[in-house]
Amino acid sequence: AQSVAQPEDQVNVAEGNPLTVKCTYSVSGNPYLFWYVQYPNRGLQFLLKYITGDNLVKGSYGFEAEFNKSQTSFHLKKPSALVSDSALYFCAVRVFFHSGGGADGLTFGKGTHLIIQP
Amino acid sequence: GAGVSQSPSNKVTEKGKDVELRCDPISGHTALYWYRQSLGQGLEFLIYFQGNSAPDKSGLPSDRFSAERTGGSVSTLTIQRTQQEDSAVYLCASSPHWDPAQDTQYFGPGTRLTVL
Repeated sequence: AQSVAQPEDQVNVAEGNPLTVKCTYSVSGNPYLFWYVQYPNRGLQFLLKYITGDNLVKGSYGFEAEFNKSQTSFHLKKPSALVSDSALYFCAVRVFFHSGGGADGLTFGKGTHLIIQP
Repeated sequence: GAGVSQSPSNKVTEKGKDVELRCDPISGHTALYWYRQSLGQGLEFLIYFQGNSAPDKSGLPSDRFSAERTGGSVSTLTIQRTQQEDSAVYLCASSPHWDPAQDTQYFGPGTRLTVL
């Protein structure tokens, strides 16, 4: 079974500084990795995903993430944080199991609250 | 274009009653997913549909939960004899394709279920 760990419940960053939200995963097979953001009382919004190819993935709102296979990590980054980036961020993984033809849904981490201070 | 919509947005029910939650996916999306978000359990995958078919129902928490999808579009999640531990936000997502290599799931706003 796959799992995702987001080791920080909360990350505090000053506006204008770079930010990193950490994510590590455990899967048997090739991982497909995702980042989603959730604003208060709103649904999840897709930010970016890694399927294959370039390890650095660029997504919405200036976010990017780096896939590191040896460290089984997929950290979310942004060069310069905005107050409007404050939200709850989820890392997720999906693995396709060829035998039986079934495919699971996304397995999510517990989420990290990102707080950008003015 | 229109995103994923869910109804009702809020549902308060009494323990033991049945509830039905509805999801309208993005037009043309063949894959549809149900998740549950609660404080204690975080985000849990429940079930997915590939067209009208649900290949694996093992993610459903109990046999009180069932889901169906008709016409490759609208899906309903039914919870029978609701219990207080069923209280959560139920999220629906749709994707252009179930194949993970082509899968990007777009989420609806959710239905907040409160069981008294």
